[in-house]
Amino acid sequence: AQTVTQSQPEMSVQEAETVTLSCTYDTSESNYYLFWYKQPPSRQMILVIRQEAYKQQNATENRFSVNFQKAAKSFSLKISDSQLGDTAMYFCAFIPMNRDDKIIFGKGTRLHILP
Amino acid sequence: DVKVTQSSRYLVKRTGEKVFLECVQDMDHENMFWYRQDPGLGLRLIYFSYDVKMKEKGDIPEGYSVSREKKERFSLILESASTNQTSMYLCASSSPQGGATEAFFGQGTRLTVV
Repeated sequence: AQTVTQSQPEMSVQEAETVTLSCTYDTSESNYYLFWYKQPPSRQMILVIRQEAYKQQNATENRFSVNFQKAAKSFSLKISDSQLGDTAMYFCAFIPMNRDDKIIFGKGTRLHILP
Repeated sequence: DVKVTQSSRYLVKRTGEKVFLECVQDMDHENMFWYRQDPGLGLRLIYFSYDVKMKEKGDIPEGYSVSREKKERFSLILESASTNQTSMYLCASSSPQGGATEAFFGQGTRLTVV
């Protein structure tokens, strides 16, 4: 069975600092996608960043970047120059590529950015 | 602008009632999902559908059923609501075509069963 584990239930950092959220996953698939989703308080879940497993280069989106270690099955999210608007629940997610299959989510990390 | 719309943002129902949660997407996505979100438990999959009239059980299907008569609409049904079904319910859609695969979410329905 495929699983996604987020080991940090909650984190707090000061505004402008850099923070890293951890995610590990377990799968026997060789091709898959990984995602980080953000759910701000009382607001809609949105995609932050995605990574295709066949790509060695780590994905980046402005202040958000990932450290993808395929052999270690690790997919961490780094937020640079954190802002108050980054306060949210963050979910790591996995889906096999090119299959009609379910998206598997971790339990989430609640991130607080402190002024 | 892509959209997944859930019919209600907040809902209060009585124990034993039959409850319908509706979800509509305008992206022509094949796959649709119903998740339940509870503190400390993350998102747990209730049911998903990869085509009209097709459905697959997720991790926690007990007490729920679904209906997908049209591609754009996926309904979650609580046959006889119970207090332990008080939760946030999230609908999502995705497509395996074109490499997109990411899920798009609705705004969520917070259901309280009293």
